[in-house]
Amino acid sequence: KQEVTQIPAALSVPEGENLVLNCSFTDSAIYNLQWFRQDPGKGLTSLLLIQSSQREQTSGRLNASLDKSSGRSTLYIAASQPGDSATYLCAVPLNSGYSTLTFGKGTMLLVSP
Amino acid sequence: EPEVTQTPSHQVTQMGQEVILRCVPISNHLYFYWYRQILGQKVEFLVSFYNNEISEKSEIFDDQFSVERPDGSNFTLKIRSTKLEDSAMYFCASRAGLNMYGYTFGSGTRLTVV
Repeated sequence: KQEVTQIPAALSVPEGENLVLNCSFTDSAIYNLQWFRQDPGKGLTSLLLIQSSQREQTSGRLNASLDKSSGRSTLYIAASQPGDSATYLCAVPLNSGYSTLTFGKGTMLLVSP
Repeated sequence: EPEVTQTPSHQVTQMGQEVILRCVPISNHLYFYWYRQILGQKVEFLVSFYNNEISEKSEIFDDQFSVERPDGSNFTLKIRSTKLEDSAMYFCASRAGLNMYGYTFGSGTRLTVV
């Protein structure tokens, strides 16, 4: 059974800081890993999809890395802004069946002006 | 950018009542899912749907739940007799394919059972 853990559970930083969110998973036989953003009471917005054959994926100020063999991914946010405040979720699909997603509990990020 | 659309955004219902949550997946996607998130907890898988039938379901998806794709565009989740513990945010998602393809989620329906 896949377990996904995200550290830290919460993070508060001043605007402009670079930061790293961590995700670990127990079963390294994954197709890919997806990072989502969730604003309070809202839906899930996909940020980055990183395939198992890739080591990094970038979108704007976001960079996700994947180390499949050690079961870890990081999401790097450069030059954080107050608008980045949200919960960031990491999710991996099971490497079987219809590859349903297992989610972490998320990291709640607060960026203060 | 194509979107997954969910309606209503918020539904309040009395315990024991039936509710239907609606979703319009992205038009060329083939795989459809429902997930839910109880307040303060992880997002959990409920059911996947492909080729007009359920392909996988979790232990949560018991006989009180059903899914349907009635007209080739809508994808619905029905809860027959709601319980207090069904209160959650329900997310619909779709994918163009399996394995290498990512998920696109809707904005969710907040279901409150009173």
